[in-house]
Amino acid sequence: QVQLQESGPGLVKPSETLSLTCTVSDGSISSYYWSWIRQPPGKGLEWIGNGFHSGTTNYNPSLKSRLTISVDTSKNQFSLKLRSVTAADTAVYYCARDVTAFDIWGQGTMVTVSS
Amino acid sequence: EIVLTQSPATLSLSPGERATLSCRASQSVSSYLAWYQQKPGQAPRLLIYDASDRATGIPARFSGSGSGTDFTLTISSLEPEDFAVYYCHQRSNWPLSTFGQGTKLEIK
Repeated sequence: QVQLQESGPGLVKPSETLSLTCTVSDGSISSYYWSWIRQPPGKGLEWIGNGFHSGTTNYNPSLKSRLTISVDTSKNQFSLKLRSVTAADTAVYYCARDVTAFDIWGQGTMVTVSS
Repeated sequence: EIVLTQSPATLSLSPGERATLSCRASQSVSSYLAWYQQKPGQAPRLLIYDASDRATGIPARFSGSGSGTDFTLTISSLEPEDFAVYYCHQRSNWPLSTFGQGTKLEIK
């Protein structure tokens, strides 16, 4: 069974860049799209964007100007970079496999934006 | 952007009762509608995709129905572990996705 694990700093300063990595285990990162989804404390879910091993990426229009998603097939990882963060970017960030729905999720990682 | 509105916001029921959760889309999403269950401190878990198909390992007491703009998640007989928050999710204009705001199913 494919497993996903997010990793990255839990604290980011305002105006800096939030960087996260999702490692795919027990399966290939090829053949599927992989998404990032976030959930602010006590709130609902927001799709951030996705990527494919070919380099194709798709972004939420509300975040597109600050966002880069990439897929590294050699490491079986995909990553998220969100620039110029503010307190509004504080959330649990999830990675998920993007098939007919988000069928496999990582456990999530909490990222707090604060000085 | 397609907006999903879930109702009710909170549903209070007892184990053994039947739960009916609603999700309405601001425009047709065909059958591209999924349902997830989320428990505190956990990631969402896929229950239903394509409006009515159960995901792998999901018990038969969970069922989904609907198409177009109106969808329902039904839990036929509530088990103690079913009390959680439920989200609907549309992907009719993939890759763009939106989620509903959630329905909290609590023990009465």
